[in-house]
Amino acid sequence: EVQVAESGGGLVKPGGSLRLSCAASGFIFSAHSMNWVRQAPGKGLEWVSSISTTDTYIYYADSVKGRFTISRDNAKNSLYLQMSSLRFEDTATYYCAREAYGYYYMDFWGKGTTVTVSS
Amino acid sequence: SYELTQPPSVSVSPGQTARITCSGDAFPKNYAYWYQQKSGQAPVLVIYEDFKRPSGISNRFSGSTSGTMATLALSGAQVEDEADYYCYSADRRGEYRVFGGGTRLTVL
Repeated sequence: EVQVAESGGGLVKPGGSLRLSCAASGFIFSAHSMNWVRQAPGKGLEWVSSISTTDTYIYYADSVKGRFTISRDNAKNSLYLQMSSLRFEDTATYYCAREAYGYYYMDFWGKGTTVTVSS
Repeated sequence: SYELTQPPSVSVSPGQTARITCSGDAFPKNYAYWYQQKSGQAPVLVIYEDFKRPSGISNRFSGSTSGTMATLALSGAQVEDEADYYCYSADRRGEYRVFGGGTRLTVL
C-alpha cells in the first residue's frame, strides 16, 4: 500500500525555521519525483516545490523561492522541506505528494502536517 | 507562469449534472487535471490528462477541454459529492505548476 506521512510541523515565530519530513513506503521512492503542496486555513491548494528522482530538477513557487529548500534521501525513502525566514503567510497544512511516474501531476498525497507562524 | 480561474461555487440539485470550469492560458498546450477534496481530507485525483479517469474513480466524473477552458462534469450529483474541486496544470517541463482557486460544489 502506498503511504506518505508528513511530520515536523509546529508553531514557529516569524523569521524562524522549521524542517518538514515525509516518510514514504509501499512504492519505489527513488523512481518518483516528489512535491510539497500547502493549504492555508480556509484557502485553496498552492504548489510549493518539486524535486526529481535524482535532484537534477528542483523547482519552487515564487512565494517561497530563496527561503525554502527541498531535498530527498532515496536511501531513507524520505523527502524534506527546510523552511527559513518564515512569514505569517506561510501558515498552512503542508502536504507531501508523490508525482505520477513520467508525468507532472500528483497522484498520491499524505494527510499533511500543520505549520503555524505566529508571534 | 500560469493562472487558472475557477468559479468559487457551484450548486446543483441531486441527480443533476454539475459542471465546473477552469480557464487559463495553460490550456490547451498543457493538460488539465482535477482533484476532489472533502472537508478535512487530502485531495484525491479524479481526472488526469484532460479526460482520463484514475482507477477506482466513478464514471460519473468526466473531463473535457475546449480552447483555454477545461471542464469537470459530474453526472447524477449526490450529497456525498459535496467537496472542493481544484483544477491543476503544469508546463511541459514541469517548472511551472499551478492550482486553480477551487470550486465548492453544493448538492441540495
